[in-house]
Amino acid sequence: GEDVEQSLFLSVREGDSSVINCTYTDSSSTYLYWYKQEPGAGLQLLTYIFSNMDMKQDQRLTVLLNKKDKHLSLRIADTQTGDSAIYFCAESRRSGNTPLVFGKGTRLSVIA
Amino acid sequence: EPEVTQTPSHQVTQMGQEVILRCVPISNHLYFYWYRQILGQKVEFLVSFYNNEISEKSEIFDDQFSVERPDGSNFTLKIRSTKLEDSAMYFCASNLLPREGGYTFGSGTRLTVV
Repeated sequence: GEDVEQSLFLSVREGDSSVINCTYTDSSSTYLYWYKQEPGAGLQLLTYIFSNMDMKQDQRLTVLLNKKDKHLSLRIADTQTGDSAIYFCAESRRSGNTPLVFGKGTRLSVIA
Repeated sequence: EPEVTQTPSHQVTQMGQEVILRCVPISNHLYFYWYRQILGQKVEFLVSFYNNEISEKSEIFDDQFSVERPDGSNFTLKIRSTKLEDSAMYFCASNLLPREGGYTFGSGTRLTVV
């Protein structure tokens, strides 16, 4: 079945870049998402990439997709203490209304 | 920015009791979902709902679960007879149309079954 894997923890110093990695197994994944969860809050959509793209940049966020290796990464430039949160990778086979398959989430800790 | 609102934020219930988790999706959204996250585990899909009926459900969503949109604004998840293993964070989400941008999630209801 479909599976999404992420490392559980990442610690970086403020001002450095963070790279959160994700692998998935479903070769028919069409959309890949990054969600952010701050303490006590819901899942906030950060960015997404369609499977026919290999990179997407949005301000401090860069998403890289290696479809051959089924590897997705999220790079956060100039990481700030406010970026401390859990980051979830998710995939779906079709757009919008189909179930998302999530990873367990990567807890990013930013050290001042 | 419009939000998906869930109440209560935390509910404690005794095993065997019925619980209803409430959600108010974004007002012009048409697709509604429930997901759950057991502590330390992945966020898992439970059910999707469109046009007043279930459009897809997972294996987790058995006969103990039901969803309803009783009026034009609320979307509820009912668990008829709670079990200890139902303890989890339950997230509601909504979406306007099938699109590439993902869903809007609520803040979740933490359900603790004792």
